[in-house]
Amino acid sequence: DAGVIQSPRHEVTEMGQEVTLRCKPISGHNSLFWYRQTMMRGLELLIYFNNNVPIDDSGMPEDRFSAKMPNASFSTLKIQPSEPRDSAVYFCASSTLGQGLSPLHFGNGTRLTVT
Amino acid sequence: AQSVTQPDIHITVSEGASLELRCNYSYGATPYLFWYVQSPGQGLQLLLKYFSGDTLVQGIKGFEAEFKRSQSSFNLRKPSVHWSDAAEYFCAGNNAGNMLTFGGGTRLMVKP
Repeated sequence: DAGVIQSPRHEVTEMGQEVTLRCKPISGHNSLFWYRQTMMRGLELLIYFNNNVPIDDSGMPEDRFSAKMPNASFSTLKIQPSEPRDSAVYFCASSTLGQGLSPLHFGNGTRLTVT
Repeated sequence: AQSVTQPDIHITVSEGASLELRCNYSYGATPYLFWYVQSPGQGLQLLLKYFSGDTLVQGIKGFEAEFKRSQSSFNLRKPSVHWSDAAEYFCAGNNAGNMLTFGGGTRLMVKP
């Protein structure tokens, strides 16, 4: 079991650029979550997929953020255009069942810095 | 609103001392409760979970937690802390079907 794999580990970009974060969930897990972690706001759920379908995207901050899950083994979180306030650590997590019904398995995160 | 609260932002204990990290919840029915640990530069790792049944739950790394309905608490404990336990600890909870909510986290520092 390789765990949840996120790439890149670090991303530094300039304001206005497009950023794409990638996630490979654990094989067999049906639910995938994108979280953002900052000192000020802690852990925030951005979006939640179940069986590749977005179930709840109410945490996505604004239209600059979009997420896709084209198949059971891959998801992306895109920010376009990026802004300095998007700087944070972005985590992907997966689980066998829906939100809270089974433990979440987290990736090691992508640290995004927007200058 | 349904929530999970960790009253302590930072805690410092001496190596070998006992540890208790507090977690309070506000849910109408018995929630599902979790404790996660986050080491620097890493994602969160599950320590233990409570769904129902025995109110004292054993987890990995020698941790345990006790669900107390009367106090709306799910405190994490360890009898003897090791330097490697220094990390940030998150309590999380939900009612079935609702979104998982994380507490703000407690950063544990261990003095030699």
